[in-house]
Formats: sequence, structure tokens, C-alpha cells
Amino acid sequence: AQSVTQLDSQVPVFEEAPVELRCNYSSSVSVYLFWYVQYPNQGLQLLLKYLSGSTLVESINGFEAEFNKSQTSFHLRKPSVHISDTAEYFCAVSDRGGSNYKLTFGKGTLLTVNP
Amino acid sequence: EAGVAQSPRYKIIEKRQSVAFWCNPISGHATLYWYQQILGQGPKLLIQFQNNGVVDDSQLPKDRFSAERLKGVDSTLKIQPAKLEDSAVYLCASRRSLAGGTYEQYFGPGTRLTVT
Repeated sequence: AQSVTQLDSQVPVFEEAPVELRCNYSSSVSVYLFWYVQYPNQGLQLLLKYLSGSTLVESINGFEAEFNKSQTSFHLRKPSVHISDTAEYFCAVSDRGGSNYKLTFGKGTLLTVNP
Repeated sequence: EAGVAQSPRYKIIEKRQSVAFWCNPISGHATLYWYQQILGQGPKLLIQFQNNGVVDDSQLPKDRFSAERLKGVDSTLKIQPAKLEDSAVYLCASRRSLAGGTYEQYFGPGTRLTVT
């Protein structure tokens, strides 16, 4: 069984400040890792994913996440946030070896960017 | 490419009534998922289809929830009878296979159910 812990339920920051949203996972097998973003009244959108290769992955809008196997973490960072980044962010894990590719999500972190 | 479509977007019912949700996945996506997202929590998988067959329904409360995907395309999720604790957003997702055996899930906008 897998689980995901997002350590902060809410993160308020000011515009142009850096932000880190923390994610730790637990799994007995190798995993794929994902960050999804959910804007108000919308479905989830994939932000970035770690499948293999470089442990640092980036999104097109300036977010990045680093897979740390020893610490079982996949924290999401952005050096300078915008008002438009206000949303809920979900970390998710999937069994690498299975065929179902079922996603297990954390409880989410609400990022609020204030002017 | 059109995204995952869901309807209705919002539904309010009284407890013990029945309700149905509809999902149309992205064309060509063989795998379809239904998730339940309770306020303040992450989505939880209810059921997974591969074409018209059920792959995983281990977390589906089968005494009141049912789902089908008869022709391997559209899917419906039904709750009968509804309970207060079923108030949630119901998300549908479909899966695209990528090179190297990996995949990507695409989510619809969800149906927000309120049971009073």
C-alpha cells in the first residue's frame, strides 16, 4: 500500500516570494511521482511528473520538484510566485511496477498568493 | 483535442434519493477512472475501467454505488440511495499511454454533489 503526506494544508505567501510545498510518500515498491494543480471549480491538471532519469523535474510555468529517494520526498518549489499561482496543489504517487497505474493522492496544500 | 467531459457540473439531492453522473473520456483513451474528492481531502479512486471491463473497484461502496462503461467509451456512476457523507466532487479521468510504458491521466472538471 502507498500513502502520501502533504505536510502543510495551507501556505500563504506574498507575490514574488519563493515557495516550497512539501510532499513525502511511503511505498514498498518503486514509484512514479506527480504534482497536480486544481484551480477553483476546475478539475486537476498535471503540473509535473517524475518517471525516471533526472531527479529534478520542471514545469513550463516555473515550478520544479526534486525526487529524493533517501528521504522519500518530492517537494515542489517556485522561486517567485504570482497571484495566478493561487490554487490547491496535490502530490500523488503511483506504483511503478503495476499495470493499474492507480494514483494515491495527498490531502492537498492550498497555496494563496497575496499582493 | 477535447478534454474529459462530465455532466452535470452540480447536483443537489436529498438523502435517500438516487443520482447519476456521466463521463465522456478523451477519444481513444481505453482506461477510465472515477474518483471521489471530499472537501479538504485528495481524490480517492472509486473504480477503474479498461475498455468496458472493471480493473479495480476495491474502494467502491458497492451497496450503494454502481458504475458501468458498456461500450468502452462513456461511463456512468450511480449512487442509490445517497447519504449525507456522499457529498463530494466526483472526478472522472482517462489515461493516455506514453512511450516507454508510462502514462498520463487527464481529469474532467468534476460533478459537485451536495446531499441534504
